[in-house]
Amino acid sequence: KAGVTQTPRYLIKTRGQQVTLSCSPISGHRSVSWYQQTPGQGLQFLFEYFSETQRNKGNFPGRFSGRQFSNSRSEMNVSTLELGDSALYLCASSFAGGGEQYFGPGTRLTVT
Amino acid sequence: AQRVTQPEKLLSVFKGAPVELKCNYSYSGSPELFWYVQYSRQRLQLLLRHISRESIKGFTADLNKGETSFHLKKPFAQEEDSAMYYCARGGDTGTASKLTFGTGTRLQVTL
Repeated sequence: KAGVTQTPRYLIKTRGQQVTLSCSPISGHRSVSWYQQTPGQGLQFLFEYFSETQRNKGNFPGRFSGRQFSNSRSEMNVSTLELGDSALYLCASSFAGGGEQYFGPGTRLTVT
Repeated sequence: AQRVTQPEKLLSVFKGAPVELKCNYSYSGSPELFWYVQYSRQRLQLLLRHISRESIKGFTADLNKGETSFHLKKPFAQEEDSAMYYCARGGDTGTASKLTFGTGTRLQVTL
């Protein structure tokens, strides 16, 4: 069974731009969660989507948004990028939600 | 806010020595507790969860509700155990998938 895939793997953007990251979950998994990982704050939960609906949300500003498609693939968008948004963004999928999650390799975003 | 504390950034042990990675969590309801591991150049993966009560790769973790701890233990460390270990707790009712992670402990097993 193929694992969680994320594209792109690396991205460099300029302050003020916006970015879209993509995540394809394991086949059959309906829940997709997103996390931000930074050296200073560690791993922080962004949001979770289940059956195309946002089910849980972390404490991030509205510049961070996401969506999920009918095939369970998910995208997250960050608008008006700030230097502090530089991070590794991880996507994780699970069959129906819960803490047993399967992580992707991450997308490394650098904002200059 | 929910918190998970891993007091040690680095734990260095000799091969064959016992290992204990500490984890304390903030008390709120009856959360699920997990240990995730990240080996060098690999993705984050689930090691074990408290409800399964199983031993994975020789590791066990006991949930102590009184002390709100979920320490990870292994009696004899192996070189291949060297990795980054993260303790995590699930959210409360309705937010189980909202994992809160500790800052992680790097386990270094030396000969």
